[in-house]
Amino acid sequence: GAVVSQHPSRVICKSGTSVKIECRSLDFQATTMFWYRQFPKKSLMLMATSNEGSKATYEQGVEKDKFLINHASLTLSTLTVTSAHPEDSSFYICSARGELAGGPRDTQYFGPGTRLTVL
Amino acid sequence: ELKVEQNPLFLSMQEGKNYTIYCNYSTTSDRLYWYRQDPGKSLESLFVLLSNGAVKQEGRLMASLDTKARLSTLHITAAVHDLSATYFCAVGLYGNKLVFGAGTILRVKS
Repeated sequence: GAVVSQHPSRVICKSGTSVKIECRSLDFQATTMFWYRQFPKKSLMLMATSNEGSKATYEQGVEKDKFLINHASLTLSTLTVTSAHPEDSSFYICSARGELAGGPRDTQYFGPGTRLTVL
Repeated sequence: ELKVEQNPLFLSMQEGKNYTIYCNYSTTSDRLYWYRQDPGKSLESLFVLLSNGAVKQEGRLMASLDTKARLSTLHITAAVHDLSATYFCAVGLYGNKLVFGAGTILRVKS
């Protein structure tokens, strides 16, 4: 079964509004979570690294004031897209780094993704 | 800056045939991952390769890693339609970051 969940799976919003996406690790504690965005038929681009209890580290070119990341607990990270615009429309995927019992070490488990459409 | 190059980017193959997807990367790393993505879905972990010479097999897929050549391969044996998907390799960096290749779209024709 899924080990990382994301909510919502799809969201449509009006330009100028803010959208919050949740990422939860279900069967393990994730000290580190990652946020990616993926454009249609393209690869995944890392946006930021989120560590529990500390500020997120953003990749070059990613606006930290626009993409607010909070990692409030070892099982939850949130991404808020503030003042969304149509160019923010994308597939947002989170991943959580951790170890499942009997699973491979040092691997990331990906959430199902959130498709954001900004009108 | 790490660059990860996958080829081919698109692969159309007949059922029953064999083929290899290549993943080259430009800087030292001892962690290489392969993922599968179905349309509209997230990524499914296929293989984690953690050392030079590592070889892992699952069903019709086999992955290998040569850290000296900075090359990983994903070999498909006797392809079946269910293998149609997009396959990504990703290289592990410091801080557990992953840098992804562009992806290989695989279409298996019956």
